[in-house]
Amino acid sequence: EDQVTQSPEALRLQEGESSSLNCSYTVSGLRGLFWYRQDPGKGPEFLFTLYSAGEEKEKERLKATLTKKESFLHITAPKPEDSATYLCARRDRDDKIIFGKGTRLHILP
Amino acid sequence: ETGVTQSPTHLIKTRGQQVTLRCSSQSGHNTVSWYQQALGQGPQFIFQYYREEENGRGNFPPRFSGLQFPNYSSELNVNALELDDSALYLCASSLADGHGYTFGSGTRLTVV
Repeated sequence: EDQVTQSPEALRLQEGESSSLNCSYTVSGLRGLFWYRQDPGKGPEFLFTLYSAGEEKEKERLKATLTKKESFLHITAPKPEDSATYLCARRDRDDKIIFGKGTRLHILP
Repeated sequence: ETGVTQSPTHLIKTRGQQVTLRCSSQSGHNTVSWYQQALGQGPQFIFQYYREEENGRGNFPPRFSGLQFPNYSSELNVNALELDDSALYLCASSLADGHGYTFGSGTRLTVV
């Protein structure tokens, strides 16, 4: 069964302390790898779509990268307002969207 | 440009009842998908509609059904509600190319 596994489940960082979140996925039939941010009580907010190994995209303090089996969301010099749950999802050839359970990120001031 | 709007925001139903949740797609988007998100979990894909036809479905029983209307708005219907159906139900819209999905804020359904 198609799987998306995110790690760690939760991460606490000091403001300014850079780190990376991991998303591993089953390889077959990938038609897009997505990253979303979700704040409590709200719907996910779209961040990035990646399609092929080696692709990278950036937005402010976030950079997403993709390999053949994993994607990473790098957070550089985070601020408290970056605290949220970050979700990874894959779209397969049948147009099913499979989400991981997310990484709960907490940035301490 | 309007985003995705869902109604109602909160709902309480009794086990065995039926419920209809509604979603208005972002302007220009012709594809809509629905998700169930339990507390502390990632969203689970229910199904997707493109031009009023279902074109993808997750592992949900037939009592979960949907509709997409000519204006691309959508409904999610759940029959014979069970306690485990309590969750946040999210709607997302996109263009058919699926480059990015815009989510609504969700409907919080509680089944008692």
